[in-house]
Amino acid sequence: DAGVTQSPTHLIKTRGQQVTLRCSPKSGHDTVSWYQQALGQGPQFIFQYYEEEERQRGNFPDRFSGHQFPNYSSELNVNALLLGDSALYLCASSLAIDRTDRTDTQYFGPGTRLTVL
Amino acid sequence: AQTVTQSQPEMSVQEAETVTLSCTYDTSESDYYLFWYKQPPSRQMILVIRQEAYKQQNATENRFSVNFQKAAKSFSLKISDSQLGDAAMYFCAYSNTDKLIFGTGTRLQVFP
Repeated sequence: DAGVTQSPTHLIKTRGQQVTLRCSPKSGHDTVSWYQQALGQGPQFIFQYYEEEERQRGNFPDRFSGHQFPNYSSELNVNALLLGDSALYLCASSLAIDRTDRTDTQYFGPGTRLTVL
Repeated sequence: AQTVTQSQPEMSVQEAETVTLSCTYDTSESDYYLFWYKQPPSRQMILVIRQEAYKQQNATENRFSVNFQKAAKSFSLKISDSQLGDAAMYFCAYSNTDKLIFGTGTRLQVFP
């Protein structure tokens, strides 16, 4: 049973560029959440996707956008990169509970380390 | 707004001994979930244990157990018979809808 996978593992970009990170959820899961983890900090919630729509969003600017595909995989896009966007980006998948706004336990992927120069 | 506080930036324990990591949280909700996640140097966030707020019984998973005090809004993790492989960052997290709110983490060192 494959767990959550993310690609790429590492990424180096320069300021002003755009980046796309990818996530495939654990088998059987239909919900994907994205988190940003700065060095030495706990993860911060970016947004969550369910049924191909953004269901919840944290306190992140519109430069952060996402998408969920019919197979439940997801992408995180960041435009106009800033030095402060350097972080570990974690994807977590879960299963929605009875089509409510709740999900079961979230399971994380290995993350993508983004460095902005 | 909900918050999670981990007041111990670093803890250490001797192999085979027991260690307790502390976590407090603030919420006005009555129905929520609490989690402990482990993040080793490999970076992958691994679920250690989960507690539903409506359950009075403390959750246990093998060598890991929690002390959940709902009135005090406290959720500590006890690791028994510590092993070298337990060395990692440990994050306490809260959720009442879908997003997880994390604390700042506690780095656990295990000495042989």
